[in-house]
Amino acid sequence: EAQVTQNPRYLITVTGKKLTVTCSQNMNHEYMSWYRQDPGLGLRQIYYSMNVEVTDKGDVPEGYKVSRKEKRNFPLILESPSPNQTSLYFCASSTDFSGGGGYTFGSGTRLTVV
Amino acid sequence: GQNIDQPTEMTATEGAIVQINCTYQTSGFNGLFWYQQHAGEAPTFLSYNVLDGLEEKGRFSSFLSRSKGYSYLLLKELQMKDSASYLCAVIGAAGNKLTFGGGTRVLVKP
Repeated sequence: EAQVTQNPRYLITVTGKKLTVTCSQNMNHEYMSWYRQDPGLGLRQIYYSMNVEVTDKGDVPEGYKVSRKEKRNFPLILESPSPNQTSLYFCASSTDFSGGGGYTFGSGTRLTVV
Repeated sequence: GQNIDQPTEMTATEGAIVQINCTYQTSGFNGLFWYQQHAGEAPTFLSYNVLDGLEEKGRFSSFLSRSKGYSYLLLKELQMKDSASYLCAVIGAAGNKLTFGGGTRVLVKP
């Protein structure tokens, strides 16, 4: 089944403790992206990647890191999480936007930083 | 920069029609998407418009006017399961960055 898999689904952590949210897709998609979703603010892009070893900042990259060493994986790293990073996070992938191939989203990771 | 506006919330009756508007101001345009998102779940793709006009898919239709920076999503024969948020998203000039509006929460009442 074609899908984007994120782990974990839920995570509660403490301020300053490094964490990684994993994302993997099995559709051989070039584009991958991370979004966070907060009430009243909608989905905001954190980082995106156009292919292996090619990443770029989105609209809210501060406090986050990403890597794209393999086509299928695009982990999101929070080196020193803070309470303002409490949010619902989505990973997404796409083959190409030009033909209307929209993003396929993962199931989401609800992160709470205390 | 990108600015995408849509109403925050709409209420409609089961069996009726609802139209969700989206206006955008972006640096370049390479297409507009509509997504549906049920509470706590991932967004799912509904439609894509890149040329002016109406695209119809069953009960859902989406319209685009590039000159006006305007799109709408039309939901016909509303069902209770259509209660969800509907997200308008635009691809800008770079062609690889998808920017979302704040979403419109639609509540369908019996």
